Amino acid sequence: GAVVSQHPSWVICKSGTSVKIECRSLDFQATTMFWYRQFPKQSLMLMATSNEGSKATYEQGVEKDKFLINHASLTLSTLTVTSAHPEDSSFYICSARELAGYEQYFGPGTRLTVT
Amino acid sequence: GQNIDQPTEMTATEGAIVQINCTYQTSGFNGLFWYQQHAGEAPTFLSYNVLDGLEEKGRFSSFLSRSKGYSYLLLKELQMKDSASYLCAVRDGDYKLSFGAGTTVTVRA
Repeated sequence: GAVVSQHPSWVICKSGTSVKIECRSLDFQATTMFWYRQFPKQSLMLMATSNEGSKATYEQGVEKDKFLINHASLTLSTLTVTSAHPEDSSFYICSARELAGYEQYFGPGTRLTVT
Repeated sequence: GQNIDQPTEMTATEGAIVQINCTYQTSGFNGLFWYQQHAGEAPTFLSYNVLDGLEEKGRFSSFLSRSKGYSYLLLKELQMKDSASYLCAVRDGDYKLSFGAGTTVTVRA
């Protein structure tokens, strides 16, 4: 089956620094990638949708200047949390979709802790 | 927007059957998904319905009624490893998924 990887799996950073999270589709070309955030005991909330080679579309309430998304190739999307604060601590999950497929394949997630 | 409701928690005995209901009100519908999520892990795909009716996949079945905005996930022959959160998600025409809050299923011996 299709595999999506994320790196790193967990990261601890200091308040005010930036953190980059990578999402890769390992055995298929992902025309669309999605970034979600999940707080403890809550469901996944879509942050943004990115299509290869174009700007990401952000959901209402998500700051595009704080959460920078780049989808430069058909197998890689990155999410950079800029000037991170403790309230940004969360579980960040990406998913990827093939052009012809109906399913989204989820990465294993990245646990971000901002101290 | 999307409004997706599912029960918060359910408890059942090993070997039993549990049915998790999901109701939705959406501005666009292009399929309904069920995912299983263990604590600290990403969701894993269980089932997909886009037409009305029942989809069976081993111990798991999912039903959809588009006219009623209703789906359920049926888990049969429950095992301890089925203890997890089950997420109902609706996809819109842009392939974006909106998730319900999740139902935590606890399987007891």
